[in-house]
Formats: sequence, C-alpha cells, structure tokens
Amino acid sequence: DARVTQTPRHKVTEMGQEVTMRCQPILGHNTVFWYRQTMMQGLELLAYFRNRAPLDDSGMPKDRFSAEMPDATLATLKIQPSEPRDSAVYFCASGLASYGYTFGSGTRLTVV
Amino acid sequence: GQQLNQSPQSMFIQEGEDVSMNCTSSSIFNTWLWYKQDPGEGPVLLIALYKAGELTSNGRLTAQFGITRKDSFLNISASIPSDVGIYFCAGQRTGANNLFFGTGTRLTVIP
Repeated sequence: DARVTQTPRHKVTEMGQEVTMRCQPILGHNTVFWYRQTMMQGLELLAYFRNRAPLDDSGMPKDRFSAEMPDATLATLKIQPSEPRDSAVYFCASGLASYGYTFGSGTRLTVV
Repeated sequence: GQQLNQSPQSMFIQEGEDVSMNCTSSSIFNTWLWYKQDPGEGPVLLIALYKAGELTSNGRLTAQFGITRKDSFLNISASIPSDVGIYFCAGQRTGANNLFFGTGTRLTVIP
C-alpha cells in the first residue's frame, strides 16, 4: 500500500531550538497538508500545498513556522525558534482534491 | 475556525453491540468524511460521502450524509475489539481543499 512517510516519528528538543519535520507524500498526489493535533484543539490545519504551491498557511504562526515543498517528493515544516506550546503531534497528509486524504503516522514533538 | 461537533465524546460498549455517532456543523459542507485514528497513528479514511442524503457502507460501517448538508452519521454494527479508537468526522466545501475536523468520538469496546 502507498503511504505518506513522516520523519522523525518523535522529537524532543529544548526551547529555542530549530525543528524540521519532513514528509514524503504519496507519488502522484498533488495536494499536501500539514495538521497539528493537540488534546485541547484537536486537529488544526496549519498549511497546504497544491502542485507544490502554497495555497493556505493562515493556520500557522508566521513568525516562527514555515512550510515548503522543495520538490514533489518532499514537504517540510520548520519551527524556529521552538516553544513549549508547540508540543503536539504534527501530521502530513496527501491526496487528490476532493477524494479524501491519506495521513502519515505523525511526528510527536516535545519542546522542553 | 469552523467547528464540527461530534457526539458522543466517548462511548463504552460491549463487544457485539451496535454503535452510532454523529457530527453536526453550523455551516454546509459538500463532502463528509469519516476517519478512524488508532493510538500513535494518523487518521485513516473509512468512508467518504459526496451527496446529500447519500448512505454508504464499508463492511460493518455505514455512514449517511445529512439532507441539510450540515450533519453526518456513522454507525458500526456488531462491534469488535479492534474497533477501539477515535473516530473523526471531517467536512469539505466545494472548491476548497482543506478539511475541517470534528472533535472526535473515543470508542472503547469491552470484550
């Protein structure tokens, strides 16, 4: 089965450090999302790309978060500097518009 | 942001029982999706609904797209232990790519 691959699966970092999360979408999928999941807020959309172009990043704190798709096989989400409130599980999902999306297994981020 | 409310928040049921959960929104969606999330994993798509009134089944799962387009229902028949997890509804609008997720229903099945 095709799958969305996220790395790392777990990351513990100190406040102030830079964090980079990576996602390999399913080959052929033209839409890529970044979601964040917390107990309090549930699943929140951070950003998404279509055909590698950023379409919406309004859910992201712009001062510290950035999302890019350097090529069709890689999406990155960067936090610099990280803060304890960024602790969450970050999911990448990919798909073809309007047909449901496939999620990766997530990156569990802990900022201490 | 858009809020989709799911109920119940959690359920404890005996193996073999049927389960019903629903999702309501204050606004209209043109696509409704149901996902299941196991611990430590991402949500997995169970059923997609594209038309108001549509009733779709996937094995023991049946989901309906409400006529008002503001709600959706998921039923699981004859529950088994592996049904344990968190079930999320998600809505999508025509012309928009992003999904709005519900608050989730945590299901526990007692053997």
